[in-house]
Amino acid sequence: EDQVTQSPEALRLQEGESSSLNCSYTVSGLRGLFWYRQDPGKGPEFLFTLYSAGEEKEKERLKATLTKKESFLHITAPKPEDSATYLCAVQARISGTYKYIFGTGTRLKVLA
Amino acid sequence: DGGITQSPKYLFRKEGQNVTLSCEQNLNHDAMYWYRQDPGQGLRLIYYSQIVNDFQKGDIAEGYSVSREKKESFPLTVTSAQKNPTAFYLCATRETSRNEQYFGPGTRLTVT
Repeated sequence: EDQVTQSPEALRLQEGESSSLNCSYTVSGLRGLFWYRQDPGKGPEFLFTLYSAGEEKEKERLKATLTKKESFLHITAPKPEDSATYLCAVQARISGTYKYIFGTGTRLKVLA
Repeated sequence: DGGITQSPKYLFRKEGQNVTLSCEQNLNHDAMYWYRQDPGQGLRLIYYSQIVNDFQKGDIAEGYSVSREKKESFPLTVTSAQKNPTAFYLCATRETSRNEQYFGPGTRLTVT
């Protein structure tokens, strides 16, 4: 079954305490993997697209990496304003068409 | 000011009433999507449209209808046939030459 699993479901960090969020996927024909940030009551905000194993993307305190089975979102020295839900999605070829599959997200809380 | 607008932000309806959610974009993107987001679940695709005057059902289209008469607009109607319509509804767009989707701010629909 094609699916995307994110872990942990929730994560509490102290300000400055670096950590990683995981997104594992079981799909065939991966076309791209996407990371989004979502604040409560708002739409997801696009962060990164990764296309192939070994690829890395960075933006401020965030760095996304991709392997053949999973992606990590590394957060270095997080600040309280990094608190949000982080969503992972893949675009894959399923039954002859390209579809997007979303994970359920990791809720990150960064404490001052 | 470029982007995706969804209106209204909050919508309350009685059971048995149809309701239409608006999604407008000025990004000149060809593809548009409707998702619903429920607690503890990944985003689920309702309908999508790759070009004007054409749209396809997603994974959970029952009880919903859409139209795509203009490139900028992709309204979603939640009909009385939708058994559990209370949810957060998200509209997204995608530029044809790219794979990432961009999301609007969302509409929270509550049906009682």
